[in-house]
Amino acid sequence: SQTIHQWPATLVQPVGSPLSLECTVEGTSNPNLYWYRQAAGRGLQLLFYSVGIGQISSEVPQNLSASRPQDRQFILSSKKLLLSDSGFYLCAWSFGRASGEQYFGPGTRLTVT
Amino acid sequence: AQSVTQPDIHITVSEGASLELRCNYSYGATPYLFWYVQSPGQGLQLLLKYFSGDTLVQGIKGFEAEFKRSQSSFNLRKPSVHWSDAAEYFCAVGVRYNDMRFGAGTRLTVKP
Repeated sequence: SQTIHQWPATLVQPVGSPLSLECTVEGTSNPNLYWYRQAAGRGLQLLFYSVGIGQISSEVPQNLSASRPQDRQFILSSKKLLLSDSGFYLCAWSFGRASGEQYFGPGTRLTVT
Repeated sequence: AQSVTQPDIHITVSEGASLELRCNYSYGATPYLFWYVQSPGQGLQLLLKYFSGDTLVQGIKGFEAEFKRSQSSFNLRKPSVHWSDAAEYFCAVGVRYNDMRFGAGTRLTVKP
């Protein structure tokens, strides 16, 4: 069976500091990978998705970037955090080349102070 | 424009009562339809999905949903709510892998 991991679970960072959130998937190959941000009362906002190693599509211009250095690893980064980057970040995966359901990780709560 | 609407921000029901959570969508074609549940501080768990065929779909934890094309709706139902069902519920729709859209969510409170 497939599992998805995210770390860290919680993170408190000062404004202007860098960020690196990691997501890994086990039990499948060549998944589509996604980063979402969730704000209270506003559902989920898709930030990035990837259909393969090194292939990143950005949905929203922002202070964040994503990378996919390995098939089942997806990283969300920032060089300098803003207060507005605070939120709950969710990684998800789906079977490649399919339009099916997405499976979510446990999330990372980021607080920028 | 493509959109997903969950009209109810917060619903309170008594334990043992029936539940219906509403979801309406606006899409150019019939999309794939999903319901997810999220407990506080956790990720989203897939409850059920509709791709085609029978418009009444069964999911996990005793939930079901009915797709009504004429109303562009995909409402989630449960005949008898348990206290453990208290959570936030999200409707999602999509046509391609990279365009899944989520509603703003409905928070369910269960009264003892």
